[in-house]
Amino acid sequence: NAGVMQNPRHLVRRRGQEARLRCSPMKGHSHVYWYRQLPEEGLKFMVYLQKENIIDESGMPKERFSAEFPKEGPSILRIQQVVRGDSAAYFCASSPRTVNTGELFFGEGSRLTVL
Amino acid sequence: AQKVTQAQTEISVVEKEDVTLDCVYETRDTTYYLFWYKQPPSGELVFLIRRNSFDEQNEISGRYSWNFQKSTSSFNFTITASQVVDSAVYFCALSEAFGGATNKLIFGTGTLLAVQP
Repeated sequence: NAGVMQNPRHLVRRRGQEARLRCSPMKGHSHVYWYRQLPEEGLKFMVYLQKENIIDESGMPKERFSAEFPKEGPSILRIQQVVRGDSAAYFCASSPRTVNTGELFFGEGSRLTVL
Repeated sequence: AQKVTQAQTEISVVEKEDVTLDCVYETRDTTYYLFWYKQPPSGELVFLIRRNSFDEQNEISGRYSWNFQKSTSSFNFTITASQVVDSAVYFCALSEAFGGATNKLIFGTGTLLAVQP
């Protein structure tokens, strides 16, 4: 049973470039969450998606950040025109179709470094 | 608003000592979940425990134990006979209800535990 798969594990970008982070949830999971961990800080919720729908994006920065979870394929977190402050670890988590069970499975994270 | 406070930023102990990591939470929900995660130096998040708000029984798993007290809104984590491999950042987290269909988590800022040999 594959867990939540994130890639790339490490990504280096120069300021102004785009970063795309991918997340494949566990098999049978249709709920995906993205969290960001800035250096020396805890994880902060960014966005919650179900297949083809954004349910809660209250933690997403207003500009440059977007997320999608298409019918087919992984969830993508896209950061346009990256800045140094975007350097962080981005964690994806998935949960099954049941509601509010507290079952949340995290990937190993994607570490973005902006030069 | 929901909030998780881990007042201990860093703790250093010597191997074989017992150590307790504190977690205090705030929520208006009647149903919620509390979690502890471990983040070793390699960076991944390791799930340790999930506790339902209706279950106040303490839990023990090997050298780990958890003390959930609703009266004080605390969910403390104790490691008995600590080992060097326990060195990590430990996060406490609270699930936030949102339309009854979410597992959105609110994390504390973490406690860095350093176990010295």
